[in-house]
Amino acid sequence: SQQGEEDPQALSIQEGENATMNCSYKTSINNLQWYRQNSGRGLVHLILIRSNEREKHSGRLRVTLDTSKKSSSLLITASRAADTASYFCATEETSGSRLTFGEGTQLTVNP
Amino acid sequence: DAGITQSPRHKVTETGTPVTLRCHQTENHRYMYWYRQDPGHGLRLIHYSYGVKDTDKGEVSDGYSVSRSKTEDFLLTLESATSSQTSVYFCAMSESTDTQYFGPGTRLTVL
Repeated sequence: SQQGEEDPQALSIQEGENATMNCSYKTSINNLQWYRQNSGRGLVHLILIRSNEREKHSGRLRVTLDTSKKSSSLLITASRAADTASYFCATEETSGSRLTFGEGTQLTVNP
Repeated sequence: DAGITQSPRHKVTETGTPVTLRCHQTENHRYMYWYRQDPGHGLRLIHYSYGVKDTDKGEVSDGYSVSRSKTEDFLLTLESATSSQTSVYFCAMSESTDTQYFGPGTRLTVL
């Protein structure tokens, strides 16, 4: 069963706008990670937030984590056409050393 | 792709034939993983390895076996391929249980 579920499944915005993607999960976690996948390529790690952190920034990325609601959000500010990709959240559960991935959000940034 | 390669990149085979996919890393990472990616399912873990000769099953391991005789190589074998195993297969590596680094993927078609 999927641990992480992203919302929305697809998002289309204009260049310069902000993009927000959400992830919900079911069990206790050690950390939550976000990955990007360009079409036909492997996944690339973007950012990791640990269970005792509430917010983290990396360049134009901002990730929040609410463990009480078992949810996370990824904000991409001032989006660019090159940000067009699928974005996946992945959780490392406290019970194991493996990651469980959601189904992803397909982001399209129109020039 | 961060020192991790997969071969072959594309393969077409027939039902009932054995298939072996190879993952090779040059980073001396302890953990290696095999995932499959299918529309509507995201990434699902097939098997993973936490050291030479140390492997364990993931959530979709039926019909697959793995071997890791050297740190740098992780092989995925389909003993008798079926059409349901048509998918894109990704290998990944990690030093700890945090960030994973993915290979470019292998597109397998079973006719």
